[in-house]
Amino acid sequence: EAQVTQNPRYLITVTGKKLTVTCSQNMNHEYMSWYRQDPGLGLRQIYYSMNVEVTDKGDVPEGYKVSRKEKRNFPLILESPSPNQTSLYFCASRRTGGTGELFFGEGSRLTVL
Amino acid sequence: AQKVTQAQTEISVVEKEDVTLDCVYETRDTTYYLFWYKQPPSGELVFLIRRNSFDEQNEISGRYSWNFQKSTSSFNFTITASQVVDSAVYFCALVGNAGNMLTFGGGTRLMVKP
Repeated sequence: EAQVTQNPRYLITVTGKKLTVTCSQNMNHEYMSWYRQDPGLGLRQIYYSMNVEVTDKGDVPEGYKVSRKEKRNFPLILESPSPNQTSLYFCASRRTGGTGELFFGEGSRLTVL
Repeated sequence: AQKVTQAQTEISVVEKEDVTLDCVYETRDTTYYLFWYKQPPSGELVFLIRRNSFDEQNEISGRYSWNFQKSTSSFNFTITASQVVDSAVYFCALVGNAGNMLTFGGGTRLMVKP
């Protein structure tokens, strides 16, 4: 089954404790991206990757890091989480060479105390 | 820069009513793509439709229809004979020709009451 898998789905952590949200897709998609969803703001793009070893900032990259060492994985790293990073996070992927449908993961709800 | 505006933050209707969700966009690209996604209470994002900027034909899929008007930069979504299962947050989104940045509107929460 074609899917984008995120882990963890739910996490409560404390300020400053580094965490990583993993994202993996099994569709051989070149393009992957991370979004955060906040009430009234919709989804805002954090980082995206057009292919392996190619990443770029989205609209709200501050406080986040990403890496794309393999095509299937695109982890989101919060080196020193702060309460304003409490949010619902979505990973997504699609083929490059088109602007077709983005396939989204199920979301990761992160709370930073 | 591109922007998507969904002016209606919440809409409440009674089952079987028709409802239209508005979406207005801004972009400098001449080629772009517009999307609608549904987010039911369970939280996942469900793709509904993609429309490219050269195709202004309206589209109908069952009770769903979309009205794309380039002249007013709008891509509105109508649900006919709404049902309780239509209750969700609906997002309109835009991607430009480069295909790297998908910009979402703030979403419209639709509540359909029995």
